[in-house]
Amino acid sequence: DAGVIQSPRHEVTEMGQEVTLRCKPISGHNSLFWYRQTMMRGLELLIYFNNNVPIDDSGMPEDRFSAKMPNASFSTLKIQPSEPRDSAVYFCASSFVQVGGELFFGEGSRLTVL
Amino acid sequence: GEDVEQSLFLSVREGDSSVINCTYTDSSSTYLYWYKQEPGAGLQLLTYIFSNMDMKQDQRLTVLLNKKDKHLSLRIADTQTGDSAIYFCAESIYGGSQGNLIFGKGTKLSVKP
Repeated sequence: DAGVIQSPRHEVTEMGQEVTLRCKPISGHNSLFWYRQTMMRGLELLIYFNNNVPIDDSGMPEDRFSAKMPNASFSTLKIQPSEPRDSAVYFCASSFVQVGGELFFGEGSRLTVL
Repeated sequence: GEDVEQSLFLSVREGDSSVINCTYTDSSSTYLYWYKQEPGAGLQLLTYIFSNMDMKQDQRLTVLLNKKDKHLSLRIADTQTGDSAIYFCAESIYGGSQGNLIFGKGTKLSVKP
C-alpha cells in the first residue's frame, strides 16, 4: 500500500490567496483526520471524518477553513483567504477505527503564507 | 478538557537509556500511544499500551503505565543516533473506539555520539 498521500508537499503563497491541500487516505480506512503542526501549538486536530461524514470540526480555527470528503478516497482542506498565521505543516491521517485507533500519517504539506 | 503533557527536550549519549515521560488527564482512555516523528516526515506509531496493562516491552522499547497517577513513560534502551526524533505521547478519548487521539506537544530526543 502506498500509505496516505498528501499534496502539495510544499506551498508558498501570498496572504489573501486561496490554498487547497489534498489527501488520499489508505484504501479501506474509514476515518480521516486533518492535523496542523506548529512549533508554538504542537499538533492540533482540525477536523475528522468517519465514513466520509464530518464528525468533529471544533478544531477548525475559523470560517476561513473548510474541509470536504466527497468520497472514501479523497479529502481537501481549503483556506480562503489565507493569512501568515496559517503557516504550518498540515497532516492528513487515516485509520480503520475498529483496530485500536492507530493513525497512519501522510508526510504533510508545509504551507508558508507570506 | 483532555490534555497531554510532555517535556519538550531530552538529550542523551549514544548507548545510554532514554526515558521520555508523559502525563494525561482522561482516566477513561483505553489506549495510550507513542508516536515517532523523524525530520520532514509524518508521525509513525511506535508502540501502544492497553490501559489494563502496567508494562509492555518490545525489543529496545519499554512502556510503563501508572494509571493511578496518569503517567506514561517510554524507555529506549541502548539509544542510537537513529533514535533522534520527536516522540509524541497520545491518549485515545472516547474509549479508543473512534481513533480520535489527543497528542502531547512532543519530546525532541537528541542522541549525541
